[in-house]
Amino acid sequence: ETGVTQTPRHLVMGMTNKKSLKCEQHLGHNAMYWYKQSAKKPLELMFVYSLEERVENNSVPSRFSPECPNSSHLFLHLHTLQPEDSALYLCASSRELRGLNIGYTFGSGTRLTVV
Amino acid sequence: ILNVEQSPQSLHVQEGDSTNFTCSFPSSNFYALHWYRWETAKSPEALFVMTLNGDEKKKGRISATLNTKEGYSYLYIKGSQPEDSATYLCASNSGGGADGLTFGKGTHLIIQP
Repeated sequence: ETGVTQTPRHLVMGMTNKKSLKCEQHLGHNAMYWYKQSAKKPLELMFVYSLEERVENNSVPSRFSPECPNSSHLFLHLHTLQPEDSALYLCASSRELRGLNIGYTFGSGTRLTVV
Repeated sequence: ILNVEQSPQSLHVQEGDSTNFTCSFPSSNFYALHWYRWETAKSPEALFVMTLNGDEKKKGRISATLNTKEGYSYLYIKGSQPEDSATYLCASNSGGGADGLTFGKGTHLIIQP
């Protein structure tokens, strides 16, 4: 265990479903992130939350909606997804020390399949 | 938008041999360079974070160097072992603090016994 826990590990959903991915960390980190890993592509940044405020949105479609209720929890709400949204979704957290991000701690990811 | 390139895409190395691979990134607005190791069915694990030109970091048999003026970093593995088999990811960001990272596609390393 890395200290960043993602649930569920696997998710199959239909295009009309609504589901949520959950990420939790108790490392005392002050920033949390959602990344997407599609086949043969690099990890793509989706959302950044620093001190519970969203700081970057990277033009992600509105069918993905993040929520960060506190510094330990991060959600990704999914609605009306497309098959091409099938991917591994990774959550990460980090701590800023004197202006430097000292490295992410990643969760194990949620493998999402949209049918 | 940053483009982070890694080469080679995959690499087969005999156990006991040493190896290295490359990460290139835009040198303008550089802030930090990260290396991660990602084993199958596990989470990516942070190896190094480097910020200064000429930085060298070492962790056991693995080391990394950084050249921010020309925009490249090398990762070296000395005396490869089967447990070194993984995908090695390089990532860069142009801002400090909590800015997100731009990742390369990774180098997939396979150590053959």
